Amino acid sequence: NAGVTQTPKFQVLKTGQSMTLQCAQDMNHEYMSWYRQDPGMGLRLIHYSVGAGITDQGEVPNGYNVSRSTTEDFPLRLLSAAPSQTSVYFCASSRSGTSGGANTGELFFGEGSRLTVL
Amino acid sequence: GDSVTQMEGPVTLSEEAFLTINCTYTATGYPSLFWYVQYPGEGLQLLLKATKADDKGSNKGFEATYRKETTSFHLEKGSVQVSDSAVYFCALIPGSSASKIIFGSGTRLSIRP
Repeated sequence: NAGVTQTPKFQVLKTGQSMTLQCAQDMNHEYMSWYRQDPGMGLRLIHYSVGAGITDQGEVPNGYNVSRSTTEDFPLRLLSAAPSQTSVYFCASSRSGTSGGANTGELFFGEGSRLTVL
Repeated sequence: GDSVTQMEGPVTLSEEAFLTINCTYTATGYPSLFWYVQYPGEGLQLLLKATKADDKGSNKGFEATYRKETTSFHLEKGSVQVSDSAVYFCALIPGSSASKIIFGSGTRLSIRP
């Protein structure tokens, strides 16, 4: 029972480098999302997807790209890393809401990816 | 806009003490409310939820009641254990068609043996 799997768990980048954080879920969830967690600021939504082929911006999308070619995978791309992107990143998924809502609010989280940008 | 406000931590208690972590919200319509818990080095896990006014969510000895009149969803536990040490997040989803779950800033709880 893998749930939500994120890789890598740790990464150090230099300013200007690019990289992709991988996220995969095996629960057939339609809804997937990326959050970043910074001290004293809780979790902030970066991007989300309500199904394959559909993505949308969250609260802090600048500097990040996403795609959703399959139900299972939702990679997060950092185009040109900056020190301000040093954070812990969480991928989360959910079933679709039964009343037409995009998700139920019952998120399943990965273990996180700690990224440091020098 | 929609938001969640939690009491600032850290909160430090002795084992078997009574716990309250305050959470208030601002939202249009009728949000669903959640408490999530994050243990050290892990991702968040859903602890409990309530989807309409006066509902009480409960799990693992924790409880929270959805109070529409005071726009609150305070987390309580009658007797905490060392294993309850974690960061607790209050969250809401602002209506049945919303795509974004809004989290509070989190409250760190430490329990002394």
